[in-house]
Amino acid sequence: AQTVTQSQPEMSVQEAETVTLSCTYDTSENNYYLFWYKQPPSRQMILVIRQEAYKQQNATENRFSVNFQKAAKSFSLKISDSQLGDTAMYFCAFRGGDDKIIFGKGTRLHILP
Amino acid sequence: EPEVTQTPSHQVTQMGQEVILRCVPISNHLYFYWYRQILGQKVEFLVSFYNNEISEKSEIFDDQFSVERPDGSNFTLKIRSTKLEDSAMYFCASSEALVLPSNQPQHFGDGTRLSIL
Repeated sequence: AQTVTQSQPEMSVQEAETVTLSCTYDTSENNYYLFWYKQPPSRQMILVIRQEAYKQQNATENRFSVNFQKAAKSFSLKISDSQLGDTAMYFCAFRGGDDKIIFGKGTRLHILP
Repeated sequence: EPEVTQTPSHQVTQMGQEVILRCVPISNHLYFYWYRQILGQKVEFLVSFYNNEISEKSEIFDDQFSVERPDGSNFTLKIRSTKLEDSAMYFCASSEALVLPSNQPQHFGDGTRLSIL
């Protein structure tokens, strides 16, 4: 069974700093997708970024980028120039051949003014 | 941008009562999902639905749960006899998902907070 592990329950950084959120996963599949979802205090689930496992190039979306290491089964999220609005719970997620999403436990990120 | 909408945003129900949570997926999407998030815990998959039948369900999705697409636009989750431990945030999601595994993201609704008293 696939598992997703986020080892940082909570992090705080100053506004404008760069922060990296860690995620590791376990799967025997070769073809899958990885996602980072953001859940602000309003409780919505917002897709931040996604990565196809067959692509070696790391995905980038404005201030958000990932470091995808397939062999190590690692998928970290980097937020550059962090903003107060980035304060949220961040979930790493895996989607394989059975189509359901497996979420990690989340990392609560606080951006401090 | 099209959105998944869920109603109500907050539902309070007495234990043992039936509750129906409603979702309107994005109109051209074919796959539908329900997830739940108990307060302070991770989001958990409940069920996926395609072509008017359940594709997959988790061990959480027992006989007390059912899903339906009654009219081609709504997608509902029914809990027949609610328990205290059913209190959670319930998220509906939908995706286009043409080929598995799909990079089409699941678009989530804002969730329904279910409180069982």
